[in-house]
Amino acid sequence: QSVLTQPPSVSGAPGQRVTISCTGSSSDIGAGYDVHWYQQLPGTAPKVLIYGNSNRPSGVPDRFSASKSGTSASLAITGLQAEDEADYYCQAYDSSLSAWLFGAGTKLTVL
Amino acid sequence: QVQLVQSGTEMKRPGSSVKVSCQASGGTFSDSAVSWVRQAPGQGLEWMGWIVPIYGTTTYAQRFRARLTFTADESTSTAYMELRSLRSEDTAVYYCATFTWTPGSWFDPWGQGTLVAVSS
Repeated sequence: QSVLTQPPSVSGAPGQRVTISCTGSSSDIGAGYDVHWYQQLPGTAPKVLIYGNSNRPSGVPDRFSASKSGTSASLAITGLQAEDEADYYCQAYDSSLSAWLFGAGTKLTVL
Repeated sequence: QVQLVQSGTEMKRPGSSVKVSCQASGGTFSDSAVSWVRQAPGQGLEWMGWIVPIYGTTTYAQRFRARLTFTADESTSTAYMELRSLRSEDTAVYYCATFTWTPGSWFDPWGQGTLVAVSS
């Protein structure tokens, strides 16, 4: 049901930078609704990583950053660490569906 | 910060119902909404709807509307999700999470999740 499109997987070596894209439409990201990002470590509940397009909750390292432009958003992780290996989800509201949607998720592998 | 504590694993037969609880520990829901999100094995997150416990207001995702009910008990700061007519495809981990029930809102914090396994 996701109308927020994410790449299924990304990978990078320790210390490298990776980005994860989230592509929406004119009824969600393009309509101006905020994009939020979640990190889900294996076997655990998701936790908010970025809220309001680019804001980090306290405790989230500044290696994580995000931006939004037009109908897309992206999450960047610099200085990759083994502990960053997780699934990452974008989330936004869709006015045509009147629903809060998640992207299908991106699995980050640290090589 | 309030923590959300969910009830334990449920094993159910097809056609039956399940009721999962989500209790606010260390505080109350205040005027926040409690949303429910599920995750089938190996799959992504799927939003199901929300309830604002203090008002009893509910919103359901279209695909669940016919067999899903949210309730809440303000006296115990507990929200409930009941899903009826269970089928095998409903096997998933069900999470509760609070949010401010506006379009731009995000989900935080989350409960630990409740596994509901549906099998004959």
